[in-house]
Amino acid sequence: QKEVEQDPGPLSVPEGAIVSLNCTYSNSAFQYFMWYRQYSRKGPELLMYTYSSGNKEDGRFTAQVDKSSKYISLFIRDSQPSDSATYLCAIVNSGGYQKVTFGIGTKLQVIP
Amino acid sequence: DTEVTQTPKHLVMGMTNKKSLKCEQHMGHRAMYWYKQKAKKPPELMFVYSYEKLSINESVPSRFSPECPNSSLLNLHLHALQPEDSALYLCASSLTSLQETQYFGPGTRLLVL
Repeated sequence: QKEVEQDPGPLSVPEGAIVSLNCTYSNSAFQYFMWYRQYSRKGPELLMYTYSSGNKEDGRFTAQVDKSSKYISLFIRDSQPSDSATYLCAIVNSGGYQKVTFGIGTKLQVIP
Repeated sequence: DTEVTQTPKHLVMGMTNKKSLKCEQHMGHRAMYWYKQKAKKPPELMFVYSYEKLSINESVPSRFSPECPNSSLLNLHLHALQPEDSALYLCASSLTSLQETQYFGPGTRLLVL
């Protein structure tokens, strides 16, 4: 079993839709959760990060963490064609050296 | 300013060439990282520098040689690469190497012929 599971997609949605992107993880030591957006042939761009269970909102983006279920989500409201990219979840162990475990990334296409 | 810069953006090299990739950040971060990313795959960690000292080498072949001249700069020296080393090479930095958010540069796209 992979430490972080993420559906690679592709996921196609119409403009204006609410997008839900998800990852599951297996290691209870994972304590720090991030979402990156990566446009084609570019470096990953940090979107959101959180330590705790619950929701964190930033504009059209909401990150949700459920540590009891080992499940994290990123919601995008009012999706735009410019949101078309690959979204990577990234999770970090608690304590010690920070090794980031990435999901494989979900490719999202928002159709005008 | 959360910018990490990388040069060059693109690089084509033969298997006998020697080249270097450069990375720079001015955020006061003391941890810097090299990652390799192949198409449709997540980034794979290669090296971690913490306070200008190499702290992690993820069993990377010796044809890749990292260098951290100071706290703002990170180099990756390349020699005798193989075609399978063609990839996007990403630099990242974080405040320290302990549970800190990593910020990535735009990457250098390397093609080895």
